[in-house]
Amino acid sequence: EADIYQTPRYLVIGTGKKITLECSQTMGHDKMYWYQQDPGMELHLIHYSYGVNSTEKGDLSSESTVSRIRTEHFPLTLESARPSHTSQYLCASSEYAGVGELFFGEGSRLTVL
Amino acid sequence: EDKVVQSPLSLVVHEGDTVTLNCSYEVTNFRSLLWYKQEKKAPTFLFMLTSSGIEKKSGRLSSILDKKELFSILNITATQTGDSAVYLCAVGLSDSGGYQKVTFGTGTKLQVIP
Repeated sequence: EADIYQTPRYLVIGTGKKITLECSQTMGHDKMYWYQQDPGMELHLIHYSYGVNSTEKGDLSSESTVSRIRTEHFPLTLESARPSHTSQYLCASSEYAGVGELFFGEGSRLTVL
Repeated sequence: EDKVVQSPLSLVVHEGDTVTLNCSYEVTNFRSLLWYKQEKKAPTFLFMLTSSGIEKKSGRLSSILDKKELFSILNITATQTGDSAVYLCAVGLSDSGGYQKVTFGTGTKLQVIP
């Protein structure tokens, strides 16, 4: 079973608030990813990381930012939440060598009022 | 722009039917093709394919990759209601900076009715 954890699982917050979605994995994986998925829609890559101190923007432009100070931790931050940020955010990781299986967390469902 | 296209977008079949789901891609620096199943929560891994013509099989599910024609298929035989889900195709690739990322297709929503 994959050891990748996301918190919070559900968050309802008002417009303008700062939020951080946490993602941690205990598998020692170098590569980590954030995907955004609206209900019934496809997964869009918004950020990924090759390792510590490496972050890249994904295919879908996002106002969120990420950091990778430790291998196991890849938090996503929204400085000022808006209703358009309402979505599910999925974190994933994979091993360094090649592009292999992604292990997903349970997701964080964000609602901005 | 990297593109992963799945067809059909949705499919309704009866239990016991066989289904074939399609995935085509146009990407630079292809590394692998992956299939996932997504029910209510996060996607769960099914297969990874890197070589053309070699079938991967797990129970009633099987998949094959054609790197020349840039597509893959996922077959499910003797479908059951528990197979109802969204099936996602994803491509692992290297971007222009040499970093590796995974891009998903739109998914095929499969509904199996008794």
